[in-house]
Amino acid sequence: AQKVTQAQTEISVVEKEDVTLDCVYETRDTTYYLFWYKQPPSGELVFLIRRNSFDEQNEISGRYSWNFQKSTSSFNFTITASQVVDSAVYFCALSDVYSSASKIIFGSGTRLSIRP
Amino acid sequence: NAGVTQTPKFQVLKTGQSMTLQCAQDMNHNSMYWYRQDPGMGLRLIYYSASEGTTDKGEVPNGYNVSRLNKREFSLRLESAAPSQTSVYFCASSERGANQPQHFGDGTRLSIL
Repeated sequence: AQKVTQAQTEISVVEKEDVTLDCVYETRDTTYYLFWYKQPPSGELVFLIRRNSFDEQNEISGRYSWNFQKSTSSFNFTITASQVVDSAVYFCALSDVYSSASKIIFGSGTRLSIRP
Repeated sequence: NAGVTQTPKFQVLKTGQSMTLQCAQDMNHNSMYWYRQDPGMGLRLIYYSASEGTTDKGEVPNGYNVSRLNKREFSLRLESAAPSQTSVYFCASSERGANQPQHFGDGTRLSIL
């Protein structure tokens, strides 16, 4: 069965600190896709990144970076020089490739609070 | 661009009442989804529709029904609401395929008394 674990329920850091959100997944598939979504206090969910299982290259987008390691089944998310606007709940997710739809399994989320 | 629109945004029901949550997307997406979000449990898939004319059960379908009315609209119905169905409900849509990111509506906060 597929599973996504976000062991960090809540993280609180002071602004400008770097912070890493952990994501560990389980799947028997050799092809799969991983996602990160952000849910700010306003409540909507925003897509951040997609990674396929054949591409282990790390990705950087501004202050955001993602580290994908198949050997440890992890897809961690780092925010560099955090800002108050980064405060949100972040979800890691894994897709079911055998579905004709983008059937996603979400982790339970990590609530990130950035203190000024 | 409206994206994914959910109505209503808030609703309070009494136990046993019925209710339909509406969802419409204007991105010409093939696939649509309904989730519920409960504290500490992330999002759980209730039903999804891979394409117009098809619907399938997700992780927590009991107590719900869905209708894919056309390509744009996907409704979720609670026939006899129960307090355990108090939750925030999200509708989403995506292009067809397992690698497609989903686009979410703003959610419906539903309370069952």
